[in-house]
Amino acid sequence: DAKTTQPPSMDCAEGRAANLPCNHSTISGNEYVYWYRQIHSQGPQYIIHGLKNNETNEMASLIITEDRKSSTLILPHATLRDTAVYYCIVRVNSGGSNYKLTFGKGTLLTVNP
Amino acid sequence: GAVVSQHPSRVICKSGTSVKIECRSLDFQATTMFWYRQFPKQSLMLMATSNEGSKATYEQGVEKDKFLINHASLTLSTLTVTSAHPEDSSFYICSARDWRESSEQYFGPGTRLTVT
Repeated sequence: DAKTTQPPSMDCAEGRAANLPCNHSTISGNEYVYWYRQIHSQGPQYIIHGLKNNETNEMASLIITEDRKSSTLILPHATLRDTAVYYCIVRVNSGGSNYKLTFGKGTLLTVNP
Repeated sequence: GAVVSQHPSRVICKSGTSVKIECRSLDFQATTMFWYRQFPKQSLMLMATSNEGSKATYEQGVEKDKFLINHASLTLSTLTVTSAHPEDSSFYICSARDWRESSEQYFGPGTRLTVT
């Protein structure tokens, strides 16, 4: 089962920041937090990932709390094309140097005009 | 970001036949590839993980004799659905990552399989 909890849906106005929360209270010290999004009938798109520090790239910012039990994905200026299901995933070590991503139900973000 | 392609994008086959889906990493060496399945209005379910040159590791409940996975090179993995049945109709998605511990995992665009 997924180790994360996300709200099932959120709305955001176009041009405003979208803040998507994720709880991962059972995360271990060496487990990364990954964020992906999936637009209908397409493969998931990588957004960002982090371990302890906050991260930022051209798509989004990832804020991880100091205790690492939760994180927030921030889309600074949401557009209509950002409407998608957003998945917060804790990457799990599956043995040796192998890792796997287990998807939960995600958050359906709807950006409204 | 890195590019992962899949072929075909959609396929229709008759019940009882086999179908092969290809997954390629176009601009990086994929030491590990993953195959997922997604039914309508559901999340992605991991089917198996394969490391280049090794046998795939299947998730619990996934029949390895039905879903044959080959990862013979650092840029290509194939999933063959053998003796397909209508209940195998689904969206099959592959993903790939390189050897680094902190590597991103990139996903292909998916293959829509319909078994009639």
